[in-house]
Amino acid sequence: ELKVEQNPLFLSMQEGKNYTIYCNYSTTSDRLYWYRQDPGKSLESLFVLLSNGAVKQEGRLMASLDTKARLSTLHITAAVHDLSATYFCAVAAGGTSYGKLTFGQGTILTVHP
Amino acid sequence: DADVTQTPRNRITKTGKRIMLECSQTKGHDRMYWYRQDPGLGLRLIYYSFDVKDINKGEISDGYSVSRQAQAKFSLSLESAIPNQTALYFCATSDLAGGRHTQYFGPGTRLTVL
Repeated sequence: ELKVEQNPLFLSMQEGKNYTIYCNYSTTSDRLYWYRQDPGKSLESLFVLLSNGAVKQEGRLMASLDTKARLSTLHITAAVHDLSATYFCAVAAGGTSYGKLTFGQGTILTVHP
Repeated sequence: DADVTQTPRNRITKTGKRIMLECSQTKGHDRMYWYRQDPGLGLRLIYYSFDVKDINKGEISDGYSVSRQAQAKFSLSLESAIPNQTALYFCATSDLAGGRHTQYFGPGTRLTVL
C-alpha cells in the first residue's frame, strides 16, 4: 500500500524567509504532483514531476524529485503573504492502478510580516 | 465557465437519508474520480472510473456508490448517510495527454450529515 507523508504539517514563516516542505512516499513511483489549496477553495495544480532528478520552478516555488530516495521537496524562496495556503503532494500508482493518486496530509503554510 | 462542476455546492442532510452528489466536466477527459477531504487527512480516493464502462473502488468506498452516466458525468451516492460522512467532497478528471495525467479538480461539495 502506497503511503505518502509530508512534513511539516504546519509551517509559519516570516516574509522574505526560505523554507522547504518534504514529501516522502513508500513505494516506487515515477510521477509526483504538487497542488495548492486556498481556504475554502479547490485544488490547483502547481507541478508535475515525471522522472528522477526532475526540477520545476514557478516564481518563488521550486519542486524537485528524487525517486531513489522516494522524496520530493517544495522549496519556498523569499516567502510572501500570497503564498499562504495548504500544499499537497500526491504520488501516482503504477501497474493496473495507473493514474490513481495518493495524497499526503497537506502542509498548512502561513506567511506573516 | 468552469471545466469541472459539482452540484450541490453545500448540502445539509440527516442521518439515514439518501443523497447524490453530481459532477460534470467539459474537458473531454475519460478519467474521473471522487475524493473526500477531512482536516489533517489530505484527500482520500472513494471511487474512480477510467471510462464509461469502468468503475473501481478506491481507498474508502464503503458506504458510497457511483454511477458513470456518460463520459462527462460521474455521480456519487450515499445510500444512507451517517455523521462521519460529513466532509468536503471533490470530483476530479484527468487524461493521458503527454503522459502527465494531471488531475483537475471541481470546486467541491461541502456535505454535513446531522
